[in-house]
Amino acid sequence: TQLLEQSPQFLSIQEGENLTVYCNSSSVFSSLQWYRQEPGEGPVLLVTVVTGGEVKKLKRLTFQFGDARKDSSLHITAAQPGDTGLYLCAGGSTNAGKSTFGDGTTLTVKP
Amino acid sequence: KAGVTQTPRYLIKTRGQQVTLSCSPISGHRSVSWYQQTPGQGLQFLFEYFSETQRNKGNFPGRFSGRQFSNSRSEMNVSTLELGDSALYLCASSPPLQGAADTQYFGPGTRLTVL
Repeated sequence: TQLLEQSPQFLSIQEGENLTVYCNSSSVFSSLQWYRQEPGEGPVLLVTVVTGGEVKKLKRLTFQFGDARKDSSLHITAAQPGDTGLYLCAGGSTNAGKSTFGDGTTLTVKP
Repeated sequence: KAGVTQTPRYLIKTRGQQVTLSCSPISGHRSVSWYQQTPGQGLQFLFEYFSETQRNKGNFPGRFSGRQFSNSRSEMNVSTLELGDSALYLCASSPPLQGAADTQYFGPGTRLTVL
């Protein structure tokens, strides 16, 4: 069974601070996705990374896929209250449609 | 292009009843997956359908079932509801592109409350 562990589980910071959240596994994934979910809504896809060592930037968000494709990190620069939400990572497999999800990091950015 | 839609958004049922939830994927997407999300268990995979066939199944009891129609719309059914079935049920569709089949686009979910 492929498992994804996310850390920290909860993070509360002030507006303007930087932060990094992590997604780790002992398994290799063909790809990894990051999602943000707001209460009562479905997860919204932020990025997909597929190549070991790949770095993608989305405005103030920087995503990195580990060289061995077992882990990933999400770094947010100058966090804003609008960044508040549950950040989920999901590992893709050759078994299409059956992603493995981490339990998420709940981020709160205070104004 | 319209996103994934799910109906209804909210549902209240009592123990022992059954419920049917509906999902319309993004146009052109043929893979539809269903997940159950609860505060204690996170996102748990239920099943995945592709071209009207169940292709993958998670570890849920037989009370949970689904189907997919020729237009890729999907339904899931839960029979003999239990209190523990209260959850947000999420549907996701995937594009038919090579290497992107594991990128999923989620609907807003159906919030099911079992009393």
